[in-house]
Amino acid sequence: EPEVTQTPSHQVTQMGQEVILRCVPISNHLYFYWYRQILGQKVEFLVSFYNNEISEKSEIFDDQFSVERPDGSNFTLKIRSTKLEDSAMYFCASGVRYSNQPQHFGDGTRLSIL
Amino acid sequence: GQQVMQIPQYQHVQEGEDFTTYCNSSTTLSNIQWYKQRPGGHPVFLIQLVKSGEVKKQKRLTFQFGEAKKNSSLHITATQTTDVGTYFCAGRDSNFGNEKLTFGTGTRLTIIP
Repeated sequence: EPEVTQTPSHQVTQMGQEVILRCVPISNHLYFYWYRQILGQKVEFLVSFYNNEISEKSEIFDDQFSVERPDGSNFTLKIRSTKLEDSAMYFCASGVRYSNQPQHFGDGTRLSIL
Repeated sequence: GQQVMQIPQYQHVQEGEDFTTYCNSSTTLSNIQWYKQRPGGHPVFLIQLVKSGEVKKQKRLTFQFGEAKKNSSLHITATQTTDVGTYFCAGRDSNFGNEKLTFGTGTRLTIIP
């Protein structure tokens, strides 16, 4: 069964450094998402992406965050200047259509900011 | 903004007992999805409910969507150790064009063998 893959599985970064989290969505999916989950808490929506542009973003997704689909397969999340509170598990998800369709999640990248 | 709450936050049951988690949204939902997250894992889609009052079953799991489309429940009959994990509901606001999936606070289920 096709899967969403994320790399790296764990990223340790100094505060203030830039970090890029990578995702390869399922190949025939058109909608892409990033979520984060602080340890022991709920999954929080960050951003949705369709047709090479952001379609919706949450209040968490401020100017320090950006997303990109640099080629036909990768979908990246960049945090420009990391803060301690950015430490979390970041999940990428993809879906065929946004409405009334399940989202398929990757295994996540655990981001630790020192 | 939209809030989705779940109760209870934690549930410990003896293997074989039933389990129910309740999900309540502050706004009317266009649809609701349920996900299961095993410890250390990622959310895995279980089911989607769309219609008011809809009930769906998957083996020992029964999902219900409220008449007002603001609440939902998941009931597991005769729990097994494989049911361990956190169960999240996730809903979309009924406003047209809103793609954001708001996850509930989750219910962590542990099974006592």
